[in-house]
Amino acid sequence: DTEVTQTPKHLVMGMTNKKSLKCEQHMGHRAMYWYKQKAKKPPELMFVYSYEKLSINESVPSRFSPECPNSSLLNLHLHALQPEDSALYLCASSQEGQLLNQPQHFGDGTRLSIL
Amino acid sequence: QQPVQSPQAVILREGEDAVINCSSSKALYSVHWYRQKHGEAPVFLMILLKGGEQKGHDKISASFNEKKQQSSLYLTASQLSYSGTYFCGTEWSSGGGADGLTFGKGTHLIIQP
Repeated sequence: DTEVTQTPKHLVMGMTNKKSLKCEQHMGHRAMYWYKQKAKKPPELMFVYSYEKLSINESVPSRFSPECPNSSLLNLHLHALQPEDSALYLCASSQEGQLLNQPQHFGDGTRLSIL
Repeated sequence: QQPVQSPQAVILREGEDAVINCSSSKALYSVHWYRQKHGEAPVFLMILLKGGEQKGHDKISASFNEKKQQSSLYLTASQLSYSGTYFCGTEWSSGGGADGLTFGKGTHLIIQP
């Protein structure tokens, strides 16, 4: 079991659907991250939130829309996705939003399939 | 800029040692090491900071050679539980706060009884 909880664990959606991925942590961490991981590939950074503000957006298409309602929650809103967006989406958190060198704690991920 | 990991894959007998390398052409601020088992989340192992420090955790240790911009992960007397894919993640000082990690392609480690 991990301390970062992601829901749902699996999601199948059509290209016209709108869905959201959720991530929650109760470790008091102030930085939260979204990564995308394709099969047999490393995680790729998508977004970084520091103190609930978006600090890094790695040129992710607008069909992915992140949201950080509070310091414990991170959402990823999905709309009009493409089949190539099928992947494992990992959420992570780290302790201090203003410092580097903090270990990142990963959730188990949401496995997303686009039909 | 993605760090380069080597080797891509290693097969060991239980009790043997392994070394995994991670190098970068860009000046590093720190190197993170993670292990991911199939179908599971990446698990944090350790962070190495620039300055050439070495860290250890049980029979897993790592070093960071700032001059070479390279980190090495040492697995001593490997156990079956060490099997998985090892990723190094690098961060460069953004000067502004939390940074995401850029991961290498991973080293697939198989430990056989």
